Amino acid sequence: GESVGLHLPTLSVQEGDNSIINCAYSNSASDYFIWYKQESGKGPQFIIDIRSNMDKRQGQRVTVLLNKTVKHLSLQIAATQPGDSAVYFCAEGTGNTPLVFGKGTRLSVIA
Amino acid sequence: NAGVMQNPRHLVRRRGQEARLRCSPMKGHSHVYWYRQLPEEGLKFMVYLQKENIIDESGMPKERFSAEFPKEGPSILRIQQVVRGDSAAYFCASSLGTTEELFFGEGSRLTVL
Repeated sequence: GESVGLHLPTLSVQEGDNSIINCAYSNSASDYFIWYKQESGKGPQFIIDIRSNMDKRQGQRVTVLLNKTVKHLSLQIAATQPGDSAVYFCAEGTGNTPLVFGKGTRLSVIA
Repeated sequence: NAGVMQNPRHLVRRRGQEARLRCSPMKGHSHVYWYRQLPEEGLKFMVYLQKENIIDESGMPKERFSAEFPKEGPSILRIQQVVRGDSAAYFCASSLGTTEELFFGEGSRLTVL
């Protein structure tokens, strides 16, 4: 069964606001986490990753937070733009297993 | 620097026919993964291959599905005697290693009539 899940299946935000997408995982052995963005009709696109020895990692307009105590992962998108509209997946992995993906959250940006 | 290339992008088959999906990984990548995605759902792992070896096929149905990654040429996902439930998007990804980022292709969308 799935070991990765998301709290919110859909999220609507106003353009310019910050977005927070959450993800729960259950495999405490997972040591590598990735957020992917998937636009309609396209393949998943890497956004940002984080390893279990870190709590936070920042990219361009995106931040990933990892809370290993409660097995929670979040993706924060600053100043959300219409081009951010997509489905976002978190994925977890270990050194020996392929990535396991969650069901995804659809982000809709309201202009 | 070509990314992961998948073909065909769209494939229509009638029930009972065979479907062959091809994937060329990124240059220098020797790890290939196949995932299946149903509409409005996440990606389900099917199989993980390295050159000439199947490393993990725990997500692959036991019957009708097979995968290979020969020494030369693309990885092939083969579905024999397709049924309507096989209709889905099939994504291939490649990586440098098992704990490295997966780079995905644009997918092959199979429709079974």
